Amino acid sequence: EIVLTQSPATLSLSPGERATLSCRASQSISIYLAWYQQKPGQAPRLLIYDASNRATGIPARFSGTGSGTDFTLTISSLEPEDFAVYYCQHRSNWPLFGGGTKVEIK
Amino acid sequence: QVQLQESGPGLVKPSETLSLTCIVSGGSINNDYWTWIRQPPGKGLEWIGYIFYSGSTNYNPSLKSRVTISIDTSKNQFSLKLSSVTAADTAVYYCARTKTLRYFDLWGRGTLITVSS
Repeated sequence: EIVLTQSPATLSLSPGERATLSCRASQSISIYLAWYQQKPGQAPRLLIYDASNRATGIPARFSGTGSGTDFTLTISSLEPEDFAVYYCQHRSNWPLFGGGTKVEIK
Repeated sequence: QVQLQESGPGLVKPSETLSLTCIVSGGSINNDYWTWIRQPPGKGLEWIGYIFYSGSTNYNPSLKSRVTISIDTSKNQFSLKLSSVTAADTAVYYCARTKTLRYFDLWGRGTLITVSS
């Protein structure tokens, strides 16, 4: 069974800074990784699919890279509304999620 | 645009069956996969299962013995039943859409289900 490990668990940054979030798969998953943003009290929102494709309406400051086992979500310059929890997700035999990275205000 | 809305009882007693419905509005339930995902308070996301509009299903192995997902295309809605619930089933339950099975592009707002006597 594939396991997705996200790091760091918490990222403390200031608005305007660059955020780099990691998701590592326990075995190769090609490019089949998605990223979601979740704000308190809200449902997750799809940001990135197939490792690097932005979903509809997602700002260009969000970008995804990677393939195989190592994936990165980058937020080029943090806006106040970007402070949230981010999850990676892959569909293996069934859909599974990473444990999440919380991006908090420093 | 297409929207999803979960509805359910809010509180379920231990050992009973949790029943939720997701109403799809603004578009057809046909041609896509429809899924349930849950999130215990303060924890991460867990996929429960999905159903294709034709009625075929796939469930999380860890919940398979207790889960049934059904669909009513005439009402544009799909449903979740989870039997023999315990406190560990307390969570926000989300319904969501997937067109490709690789990712979930549309989510409901979620509904909190508490299991307690």
